[in-house]
Amino acid sequence: TQLLEQSPQFLSIQEGENLTVYCNSSSVFSSLQWYRQEPGEGPVLLVTVVTGGEVKKLKRLTFQFGDARKDSSLHITAAQPGDTGLYLCAGAETGTASKLTFGTGTRLQVTL
Amino acid sequence: DSGVTQTPKHLITATGQRVTLRCSPRSGDLSVYWYQQSLDQGLQFLIQYYNGEERAKGNILERFSAQQFPDLHSELNLSSLELGDSALYFCASSPRGHPGYEQYFGPGTRLTVT
Repeated sequence: TQLLEQSPQFLSIQEGENLTVYCNSSSVFSSLQWYRQEPGEGPVLLVTVVTGGEVKKLKRLTFQFGDARKDSSLHITAAQPGDTGLYLCAGAETGTASKLTFGTGTRLQVTL
Repeated sequence: DSGVTQTPKHLITATGQRVTLRCSPRSGDLSVYWYQQSLDQGLQFLIQYYNGEERAKGNILERFSAQQFPDLHSELNLSSLELGDSALYFCASSPRGHPGYEQYFGPGTRLTVT
């Protein structure tokens, strides 16, 4: 079973601060996705990265896929209370009968 | 709103019982995925159907089964329920068959087994 470890597990910061969330595995993935989930709702896809070394930006969020496609990071600049939520990375195996393995999650709270 | 609907939203039942969770994918999406989310196990993949056929299996117990119907909606059947089956159950849909492409999650069904 492929494991995706996220760190930190919890993060409480003030508005305006920067933060980075890490997603690490010993396995290689064909692609990696980042989701945000709010209480009582389903995860919402933020981004998909496919190529090793790829960097994608979504407003104040920057996502990077590791060169070896085993790890990824999410950097948030100038965090806002609306960024509060559970951030999940998810790696997709190769092959037709593959599955999406979700990370352990990072719970972020941004306060005023 | 992802376009994926799940019913019921909440379900409370007793141990040993059987329940059926229903999922309607986004219009045109051929893949349906089922996931279980609990506090101690996180979000775990259960099973995937693509255009009516089982495509991939995850950590799905033998007491659980699923199917996808010709109109592409899917049902997850949970039987001989145990306290440990209490969790949030999500379905997700996707236009493609490989899980590496975008998945759109429904609002989930919260199952409580007493």
